Amino acid sequence: NAGVTQTPKFQVLKTGQSMTLQCAQDMNHEYMSWYRQDPGMGLRLIHYSVGAGITDQGEVPNGYNVSRSTTEDFPLRLLSAAPSQTSVYFCASRRKSGQTVSGANVLTFGAGSRLTVL
Amino acid sequence: AQTVTQSQPEMSVQEAETVTLSCTYDTSESDYYLFWYKQPPSRQMILVIRQEAYKQQNATENRFSVNFQKAAKSFSLKISDSQLGDAAMYFCAYRSAPHAGGTSYGKLTFGQGTILTVHP
Repeated sequence: NAGVTQTPKFQVLKTGQSMTLQCAQDMNHEYMSWYRQDPGMGLRLIHYSVGAGITDQGEVPNGYNVSRSTTEDFPLRLLSAAPSQTSVYFCASRRKSGQTVSGANVLTFGAGSRLTVL
Repeated sequence: AQTVTQSQPEMSVQEAETVTLSCTYDTSESDYYLFWYKQPPSRQMILVIRQEAYKQQNATENRFSVNFQKAAKSFSLKISDSQLGDAAMYFCAYRSAPHAGGTSYGKLTFGQGTILTVHP
């Protein structure tokens, strides 16, 4: 299994440009999410989805859009990039929660995408 | 909203020694999960250990163990017999247990991270 695949791994943008970070998982996970990692702030949730056609905002959603047309894919769109969006982005997925947390429903992370906005 | 605090930005340990990383959290929920993740220089997030709040017994995974103090809302990670490969950023994280209609369904809240250096 490939797990969670993120592309691209590195990207440099100019202010105002748009781009999409791709995320795909082959584990049939219902839950998918995007985080950004910034120094001294840990990982913060941007958007998440609990199934195809269902998305919701996380802690820092401004400037980002998502959609979930299939179970496998969860792209993150930056419509007009800003320097404040320079960060490392992680996609993560897991199975729907059961009554206990097990290896089956612990988050699996992608390798991360480093985005620089000039 | 839940918050997770790691008050130690950096820690260091000698190889083969023991180190403890601190984590506190704030929640009004009674049922939840706690995690420690490791992030080596490769940037990959790796689950180290997990704890369910309803379990009184502290979780252990080989050289890694936790001290879970529910009343104090404390969840520290102890690494025994430290190895050079343990050098990484460590994140403590909180997740609500699933419940009907919960708006915090499944979201993982992270602490700020602790950089662990292991000296040979």
